[in-house]
Amino acid sequence: EVQLVESGGGLVQPGGSLRLSCAASGFTFSSYWMHWVRQAPGKGLVWVSRINSDGSSTSYADSVKGRFTISRDNAKNTLYLQMNSLRAEDTAVYYCAREYGFLESDSYYFDYWGQGTLVTVSS
Amino acid sequence: SYELTQPPSVSVSPGQTARITCSGDALPKQYAYWYQQKPGQAPVLVIYKDSERPSGIPERFSGSSSGTTVTLTISGVQAEDEADYYCQSADSSGTFFGGGTKLTVL
Repeated sequence: EVQLVESGGGLVQPGGSLRLSCAASGFTFSSYWMHWVRQAPGKGLVWVSRINSDGSSTSYADSVKGRFTISRDNAKNTLYLQMNSLRAEDTAVYYCAREYGFLESDSYYFDYWGQGTLVTVSS
Repeated sequence: SYELTQPPSVSVSPGQTARITCSGDALPKQYAYWYQQKPGQAPVLVIYKDSERPSGIPERFSGSSSGTTVTLTISGVQAEDEADYYCQSADSSGTFFGGGTKLTVL
């Protein structure tokens, strides 16, 4: 059974840092591209970041570029999101999600999601 | 980047048909996907590649595409279908979500 379990969320002051983790199990983690998606309280889903299967390629939403870093440890089956210079508007539930893509196109969707971890940025 | 536009809310009575639209200029060129999200839960994929239904998703869920608009149709809506629904698309430039539609079952 595929499982994604996020951890590391909590209350942090503006300007602070936090590192989120996503422990994966039930599939060959090193074969999949992975993402972080966030959802502010009462708001919609927003894509945050993406990393390829071996960690050599990453991309970010403009809102977090230069502040957040996505990484992975395939030996530990774990995805990370290092969040620095946090702002109030980063307050959200952060989900990790597994990408399912197609050989014939660059389109993809998210076939498995974790349950999310809440990050609250407040003084 | 591009935008995906959904109506904020749709209301239907039990047993009726609900239609939720998602519009975007890139949709003729890219597949659309639909997720259902209930309060306090992670999103669940209900439609992929515009109109394909994953295993385990009830047959009352279907998807269609026409030009710049994709539509999620829920036939014979049940109380348990009350949720937020999001469309999503993706290409080499990134991942994009619609703003979400709250489906209310009256």
